[in-house]
Amino acid sequence: KAGVTQTPRYLIKTRGQQVTLSCSPISGHRSVSWYQQTPGQGLQFLFEYFSETQRNKGNFPGRFSGRQFSNSRSEMNVSTLELGDSALYLCASSGLAGGPDTQYFGPGTRLTVL
Amino acid sequence: KNQVEQSPQSLIILEGKNCTLQCNYTVSPFSNLRWYKQDTGRGPVSLTIMTFSENTKSNGRYTATLDADTKQSSLHITASQLSDSASYICVVIPYNTDKLIFGTGTRLQVFP
Repeated sequence: KAGVTQTPRYLIKTRGQQVTLSCSPISGHRSVSWYQQTPGQGLQFLFEYFSETQRNKGNFPGRFSGRQFSNSRSEMNVSTLELGDSALYLCASSGLAGGPDTQYFGPGTRLTVL
Repeated sequence: KNQVEQSPQSLIILEGKNCTLQCNYTVSPFSNLRWYKQDTGRGPVSLTIMTFSENTKSNGRYTATLDADTKQSSLHITASQLSDSASYICVVIPYNTDKLIFGTGTRLQVFP
């Protein structure tokens, strides 16, 4: 099976812009979770989607939003970018809605905000 | 205070040597504890998954242990290789939730 794919791999934006990141889960997986990873904070949970519904949400401002399509592909959007949004954004897919099932991570999108 | 703390923050060892990474957690109860390996510029890859009732789980040269009484887990790497250079992240999943609580990781460097 092909793994989790994320596009783009690298992105450079300026403050105030918005950005959309894409994640394609492993075929057959219905749960997609998004994480932000920074050197100082480690991995932080953004949100999880299962069957096009947001099931869990982390403690991030409303500038961070997401959605999931009927084919389980997911997008994450960040509006009004701030310098602190520079991070590696990881998406992970699993067969179940979270729980003990293993999450498989994609390679991530490295976002740099100038 | 983080609910999952890892030590050391970074570690340098010589190729062929063994090492042990520590994870202390306060999450209770929990359904399972996982160790991930993350190579630079890549997403984390699952190494081991242990339920609260398991004491040890091996995956090749990686052996994870769990002591639920002291709320500690360790990841032991045997006969380290250069490719073991990576960050190792301990993750705890609270009971009856879908959320993953991540430690900040241990950065391991293996030198020849």
